[in-house]
Amino acid sequence: ETGVTQSPTHLIKTRGQQVTLRCSSQSGHNTVSWYQQALGQGPQFIFQYYREEENGRGNFPPRFSGLQFPNYSSELNVNALELDDSALYLCASRPTSGGRAGELFFGEGSRLTVL
Amino acid sequence: AQSVTQLDSQVPVFEEAPVELRCNYSSSVSVYLFWYVQYPNQGLQLLLKYLSGSTLVKGINGFEAEFNKSQTSFHLRKPSVHISDTAEYFCAVSLDTGRRALTFGSGTRLQVQP
Repeated sequence: ETGVTQSPTHLIKTRGQQVTLRCSSQSGHNTVSWYQQALGQGPQFIFQYYREEENGRGNFPPRFSGLQFPNYSSELNVNALELDDSALYLCASRPTSGGRAGELFFGEGSRLTVL
Repeated sequence: AQSVTQLDSQVPVFEEAPVELRCNYSSSVSVYLFWYVQYPNQGLQLLLKYLSGSTLVKGINGFEAEFNKSQTSFHLRKPSVHISDTAEYFCAVSLDTGRRALTFGSGTRLQVQP
């Protein structure tokens, strides 16, 4: 149990549509990251938020955007969906203090299928 | 930029046998190293990490890994595996102790057979 919950667990969209994925992390986890894991691949870093501001981004286009809220929840938004966006999207949060500071806690992911 | 290569996509092994999952990395600066496990339909769980100090790192579930700077490797080992160890294992690197993004390898599927 990591204390990170994601919703929805599965969803199907068509090309060109928009999707919002949600994540809720533990109190005190001020950093949240999103990763994309294509089938048979390792997770790839999309972006990271710290105290509601983006402070790191991977090699993903601007149609991938995010938000982080004061209540330790966050969102990943993807516009103009493409077939290659089909993947498992993982949210990971990180405490900034305590014995496990810096360690990433992953949710179980949202599996997106784009038809 | 840093990169991670996991040399084996699948490793079949019999129960109670030893196993080694190989990981090599490339970076022009010092990195920190991690191993994560992903059980079916679950997120990733940290097995162990190397930040500094002893190059032999012990993790959860009886796993250990050895950091070899000259060979740029961080192989994961377990002396005796169980059926429950069947999962996907990912090696990852980061430029700091975890505040920045992780770069993952493509994963190794460990299949433990009875």
